[in-house]
Amino acid sequence: QTVVTQEPSFSVSPGGTVTLTCGLNSGSVSTSSYPSWYQQTPGQAPRPLIYNTNARSPGVPDRFSASILGNKAALTITGAQADDESDYYCVLYRGSGISVFGGGTKLTVL
Amino acid sequence: DVQLVESGGGLVQPGGSLRLSCVASGFTFSNYWMSWVRQAPGKGLECVANINQDGSEKYYVDSVKGRFTISRDNAKISLYLEMNSLRAEDTAVYYCARDRFSGRGYFDYWGQGTLGAVSS
Repeated sequence: QTVVTQEPSFSVSPGGTVTLTCGLNSGSVSTSSYPSWYQQTPGQAPRPLIYNTNARSPGVPDRFSASILGNKAALTITGAQADDESDYYCVLYRGSGISVFGGGTKLTVL
Repeated sequence: DVQLVESGGGLVQPGGSLRLSCVASGFTFSNYWMSWVRQAPGKGLECVANINQDGSEKYYVDSVKGRFTISRDNAKISLYLEMNSLRAEDTAVYYCARDRFSGRGYFDYWGQGTLGAVSS
């Protein structure tokens, strides 16, 4: 069974840089997993941030970037702002069938 | 503008059924894979089912196989999720989402969600 792993929580100072990761319980994440990233605030639907590993969704500022780092997908926020405080989810495609969400990372900006 | 509007949520007893609907607008519905993604209270997101453009391919997460059925009516620009034999752990907000790239898990538009609660 595929399990997608994310840090449960992370903290960053305003103006700082943070990298969140997305891995697999077995195996490596590659571009063929088509990693995507979503931001969610309480009571709202998720907002797409990144698709196909590193392509920004329309309207997403360029301080959000993504890549493959080692054997994981990574989302980097540069110059963190207060309104970046959210839950962040990655999704990995595992071949034909259902794509799998990670457990999410709760990002605190303080 | 793309819009996805879900309906059909509610409170049901364990073992009961719910049928969720999602009406799409602002894009050519028949050109896209569609998915249902759920979020239990205080928990993370989970893709429970998806369907290709003409309904000939359907996939389900293991926990709902045999109990949930995804379907679509392109003429009515609508997506459905028939949920049977419901359990307490199925309690969640259910989102309808458009999958931009043929089922590869990039959900570029989401509805506002509908709450399905299973409780006696």
